[in-house]
Amino acid sequence: AQRVTQPEKLLSVFKGAPVELKCNYSYSGSPELFWYVQYSRQRLQLLLRHISRESIKGFTADLNKGETSFHLKKPFAQEEDSAMYYCALSVPPYSSASKIIFGSGTRLSIRP
Amino acid sequence: NAGVMQNPRHLVRRRGQEARLRCSPMKGHSHVYWYRQLPEEGLKFMVYLQKENIIDESGMPKERFSAEFPKEGPSILRIQQVVRGDSAAYFCASSPKSGSSYNEQFFGPGTRLTVL
Repeated sequence: AQRVTQPEKLLSVFKGAPVELKCNYSYSGSPELFWYVQYSRQRLQLLLRHISRESIKGFTADLNKGETSFHLKKPFAQEEDSAMYYCALSVPPYSSASKIIFGSGTRLSIRP
Repeated sequence: NAGVMQNPRHLVRRRGQEARLRCSPMKGHSHVYWYRQLPEEGLKFMVYLQKENIIDESGMPKERFSAEFPKEGPSILRIQQVVRGDSAAYFCASSPKSGSSYNEQFFGPGTRLTVL
């Protein structure tokens, strides 16, 4: 079964503290994974893809096939990071014509 | 490029009425996807269309729901005889033509449907 699980509905941390948003996936083949973000009153947008191995706005995410995880991390949280974060899986992977399976989302709240 | 446009942004219907949701993809995009987000849940895939073709409708409810993407004009998601359980946010996304190496989908602002 193809599934994305985000166990935390809400994560609240202080500004400057490290952040880790958890994501686990279930997929039989080699997955293609993303993190999407939705800031307040804005539309859903792509934050990063595992294949690009980039750091976007200080966030990174490493694919761990052994643990089937794709956790999103940032060493020092900033107030503007407060948003809803969705982990997502592309099915089929690496295709220009795929559907996206989303996790249920984690609301990240950064306290001043 | 204005991005993916959806209208209306809010739609109120009474039980039994029809709801029509429109999506105009980004310029140059020929793939359209519809997702539904129920309260407190993530987005769930409904249907994937290219111009005049339904490619994957595995997420569409079997009855009352239909989608089209005509040669001219926006994509339409149509819900007939709405029920309270159809109340949700409906998001449209678009992506470029085949040939790109990966599938970045660009999302619209969503239509929030409320069924009274």
